[in-house]
Amino acid sequence: GAGVSQSPSNKVTEKGKDVELRCDPISGHTALYWYRQSLGQGLEFLIYFQGNSAPDKSGLPSDRFSAERTGGSVSTLTIQRTQQEDSAVYLCASSFRAPGQGDEQYFGPGTRLTVT
Amino acid sequence: AQKITQTQPGMFVQEKEAVTLDCTYDTSDQSYGLFWYKQPSSGEMIFLIYQGSYDEQNATEGRYSLNFQKARKSANLVISASQLGDSAMYFCAMREGPRSSARQLTFGSGTQLTVLP
Repeated sequence: GAGVSQSPSNKVTEKGKDVELRCDPISGHTALYWYRQSLGQGLEFLIYFQGNSAPDKSGLPSDRFSAERTGGSVSTLTIQRTQQEDSAVYLCASSFRAPGQGDEQYFGPGTRLTVT
Repeated sequence: AQKITQTQPGMFVQEKEAVTLDCTYDTSDQSYGLFWYKQPSSGEMIFLIYQGSYDEQNATEGRYSLNFQKARKSANLVISASQLGDSAMYFCAMREGPRSSARQLTFGSGTQLTVLP
């Protein structure tokens, strides 16, 4: 079946502009995660959504970052007033939580964000 | 303190030989999960293997096995019969809490494995 998809694959933006990154999880997966991967910081958790529960936003680095998940499926990560330190690959993952099922996360190909 | 420590930034192995990638973890939770992911140069993160904290047997998936030593808090990945296509970055990750919690993963810094012909 289809995996996690993300768009755009690459985004170049000027400092101070807002950007939106999109994630389409695997159909039927209840949990959706955003991470970012940068050279100096490795893989960092940003935010996760589980079903209809309030999202866990504990990893968001500043209030310029926000995310929403509509209809329990597609998610959008928004970065306002981008800064050069926001340059990174933003990875989305999804997993399926059910009794007896594994919770391994399946990752999308990522969006490479470059802030100039 | 680091929750996941991978002390080998780079490793080399000869094709067809076995290689062990080290991972130690730190958690006070009794229930947790350990994962290994592979990231080739193309950038995708590929799930390899999972070990639950209550699993008594070491996990195996084809040529991958996880050497789980709970008392030492280590979860080393063993790749048998290395292939050129195994050259990639390998990440160890941990989920704290039970499997049903589906919480986020904490990743180590990774080990870059190069398989030599």
